[in-house]
Order: sequence, then structure tokens, then C-alpha cells
Amino acid sequence: EDQVTQSPEALRLQEGESSSLNCSYTVSGLRGLFWYRQDPGKGPEFLFTLYSAGEEKEKERLKATLTKKESFLHITAPKPEDSATYLCAVDPGTYKYIFGTGTRLKVLA
Amino acid sequence: NAGVTQTPKFRVLKTGQSMTLLCAQDMNHEYMYWYRQDPGMGLRLIHYSVGEGTTAKGEVPDGYNVSRLKKQNFLLGLESAAPSQTSVYFCASRRGTGYYGYTFGSGTRLTVV
Repeated sequence: EDQVTQSPEALRLQEGESSSLNCSYTVSGLRGLFWYRQDPGKGPEFLFTLYSAGEEKEKERLKATLTKKESFLHITAPKPEDSATYLCAVDPGTYKYIFGTGTRLKVLA
Repeated sequence: NAGVTQTPKFRVLKTGQSMTLLCAQDMNHEYMYWYRQDPGMGLRLIHYSVGEGTTAKGEVPDGYNVSRLKKQNFLLGLESAAPSQTSVYFCASRRGTGYYGYTFGSGTRLTVV
């Protein structure tokens, strides 16, 4: 069965304390892996798409990487404004994504 | 471009009442989706559509109906609201399979009392 698992469920960091969020997946045929950011009371906002193992994408303090079984979202020197829920989703080649349940990130000043 | 627009943003219903949530996209996307998001449960797919005039069931379709009479609009109906349908509802769209990611609306917060 296709599945996406995110860890940890919640993460508290001090400002400037780098860390990584994990997204592990089991799908029969990965067409793409997506990272989204969701702020309270808003819809998810697209961050990155990754397609093949070894691929990396960067945006400001965020860097997403992909292996054959998992993806990491690395956050370097985070700021309080990086606080949000980060969602991972995979496209198994059907019409619909499979979403993880997200990691709630809180960055303390 | 407005992207994906959902109306209304908030609504309170009494048990047994009906309502329709509207999703409109101006990106000429083929695929559209309705999700509900509940604490600890993540995003769960209710119904989706791969083109005008077509709809399909997702993970949690019971108690909901949908229609896609026009390519740009995807309507979600609750015929007889129940407290279990209290949730935040998100609409999303995308151009097609493969490279294209979802674009989400800002959500509708529905409370059924």
C-alpha cells in the first residue's frame, strides 16, 4: 500500500538552530515528491518538487533532498517566520497525491 | 491571477441543514480536488475530478456530493450536515499528472452544531 510518513510530528527549535524534517515514502512508482508549507488558517503553499534520487532544491533557508525511500527538508539557521506546518506529498502516478500528516515547526526567538 | 478561490470562508450550520461550497480556479487546470483537514488526521481526499463533467470518490466521500459542470468550478455539497463534518475544507487544482503540483485555496472553515 502506498504510504507517506513524516517525522517528527512537532519540532521546536531556537532561532539559528539548524535541523531536518523527514518524509519517508512507500510507493510503487514515484512520479514526484512535493513539499508544502502551511501557515495557520491558510491553505498549503507549494515549496519544492523533487523527481529523482540525488536531486536537491533550495529556497532561502530551506533545502530539500531526495533518496529512493525518503526526503529531507533541511532548515539552516531558522528564523521565527519559518514557523509553520510542513507537508510532504508523493505522486504515485495516479490522479491524486498521497499526503503525510505534516511536521509542526516552531522556531523560538 | 486569483488562483484557486473558495467561498465561503466560514460557515456555521445546524445539523441537518444543507450547503454548497464553491471552488473556482482561473488557471485552466484539468484536475480539481476537495480535501478536508482535521487535527492529527492530515489532508483526506473527499472527491476529485479529472475533467469537466467527471467526478470520482476519494477516501472519505460519504455525506458529500460534487459536481463539475464547468472546467473552472468544482462544487462540494453537504445534503444533511452532521457534527462529524465539522472541519476545514480545502480545494486544490493542478494542470495534469507528473510535474505539476497542486495549487490550494485558502480553505473554508465549517462548523456543524
